[in-house]
Amino acid sequence: GQQVMQIPQYQHVQEGEDFTTYCNSSTTLSNIQWYKQRPGGHPVFLIQLVKSGEVKKQKRLTFQFGEAKKNSSLHITATQTTDVGTYFCGPGNTPLVFGKGTRLSVIA
Amino acid sequence: NAGVMQNPRHLVRRRGQEARLRCSPMKGHSHVYWYRQLPEEGLKFMVYLQKENIIDESGMPKERFSAEFPKEGPSILRIQQVVRGDSAAYFCASSPRAGSNYEQFFGPGTRLTVL
Repeated sequence: GQQVMQIPQYQHVQEGEDFTTYCNSSTTLSNIQWYKQRPGGHPVFLIQLVKSGEVKKQKRLTFQFGEAKKNSSLHITATQTTDVGTYFCGPGNTPLVFGKGTRLSVIA
Repeated sequence: NAGVMQNPRHLVRRRGQEARLRCSPMKGHSHVYWYRQLPEEGLKFMVYLQKENIIDESGMPKERFSAEFPKEGPSILRIQQVVRGDSAAYFCASSPRAGSNYEQFFGPGTRLTVL
């Protein structure tokens, strides 16, 4: 099945700094989904991207899907402590095959 | 509309015992997925079921693990003769249909500890 790689694996930022995580695939993806898992919690769906070059925003979160539909990114502007957690990406296939995720910690 | 429910939330077993994990999907969802998450690691797909059918079990260990989703009642993930390496969080997710346009709704998970 399709596999994705996520970088970085860990990211520590000061509160107020920006944060970006990248999701890369060796094959073209039909779409990509992003999920967030808070520490001790369960994954929660954030967004799905379908179109080449698509950009979607959710408040301080900006999601992009590459023109070639092989990569995606999640950018958080001015991080807050509520952003702490692990962000997973994966092709929106059935079943989901997640990347290993990027664990974000925010230092207040 | 209740979300995906899993029970128990925490389960402790001794080596060699059986573990039964239950998952009730969201109302109207007939597709269920089980994932395992080892401490400090990502989510790994185990099995995908539709009512009374196993659709994809490519992520299931060949021995000791089984899953079912009967016509009535919750989906069950069964682990026989548990070993310490089975200690993990097991998440169930559901969706109304299969296919690439449907998000998956996750339950709170069952944390299994094998002593």
